[in-house]
Amino acid sequence: EAGVAQSPRYKIIEKRQSVAFWCNPISGHATLYWYQQILGQGPKLLIQFQNNGVVDDSQLPKDRFSAERLKGVDSTLKIQPAKLEDSAVYLCASSLVGGSSIDTQYFGPGTRLTVL
Amino acid sequence: AQSVTQLGSHVSVSEGALVLLRCNYSSSVPPYLFWYVQYPNQGLQLLLKYTSAATLVKGINGFEAEFKKSETSFHLTKPSAHMSDAAEYFCAVILTGGGNKLTFGTGTQLKVEL
Repeated sequence: EAGVAQSPRYKIIEKRQSVAFWCNPISGHATLYWYQQILGQGPKLLIQFQNNGVVDDSQLPKDRFSAERLKGVDSTLKIQPAKLEDSAVYLCASSLVGGSSIDTQYFGPGTRLTVL
Repeated sequence: AQSVTQLGSHVSVSEGALVLLRCNYSSSVPPYLFWYVQYPNQGLQLLLKYTSAATLVKGINGFEAEFKKSETSFHLTKPSAHMSDAAEYFCAVILTGGGNKLTFGTGTQLKVEL
C-alpha cells in the first residue's frame, strides 16, 4: 500500500515570495492533516480536513496561509507571502476516518521549507 | 488545556542498555496517548498507542509503554537498545472528545553508542 506522498521534498525561497506544497494521502483515507514542525519542536496541527470540508483550522495563520482539498483527495497548502519564521518542515498526514474517531495518522516524509 | 511534556531533549545510551524516554501529560481526563518515531529526513511513524484498554502497551521494534494514571505518565521503554533505534521520539496526546487532533511534545533525540 502506498504511503502519504508529498512534494516537493525541499524548497528554498526568499521572504515575501509565495510557495505551495502538495500532498496525496493514502487511498481511501477521509481525513487529511497539515502540520508545521519548526526545528527543535514537535509538529503543530495547522489544518484538518474531513473529505473536502475543514474540521479544524484554529492554528492556521489565515492572513498568509491557505489550504484546500477540493475533491476530497489530494491537498495543497500555500503560503503567501512567506516570512522568515515560516522556515520549517511541513508534514502531511492522513487517517481512515478521523473526525470524532481516534484513528491512526500516517505521515508523509514532509517538505522542508527554508525562507531566506 | 491539554499538554504533554517530554523530559530530556537528548538521551544517550549504550547499545544493549535499557532505553527510557519520559512523557508526562496534563489532563483531568485520561487522554489517548501515542509515541511516534522520526528518522532523519523522514515522516513520523507510530510506535504504539494507548486508547484506554490495557495499561501496558506493546509496540513495534520491541518498544513498550505503560500508562500510569496516578503519575500522569506514559514513559517509553525498550530493554535493549540497538544502533538502529537512534532517532527522535515524540510523545503525543489526543484529549477524550477532542476529535483526532494530536498535540505533540517537543521530542527526545535518542543517541545509541557502541
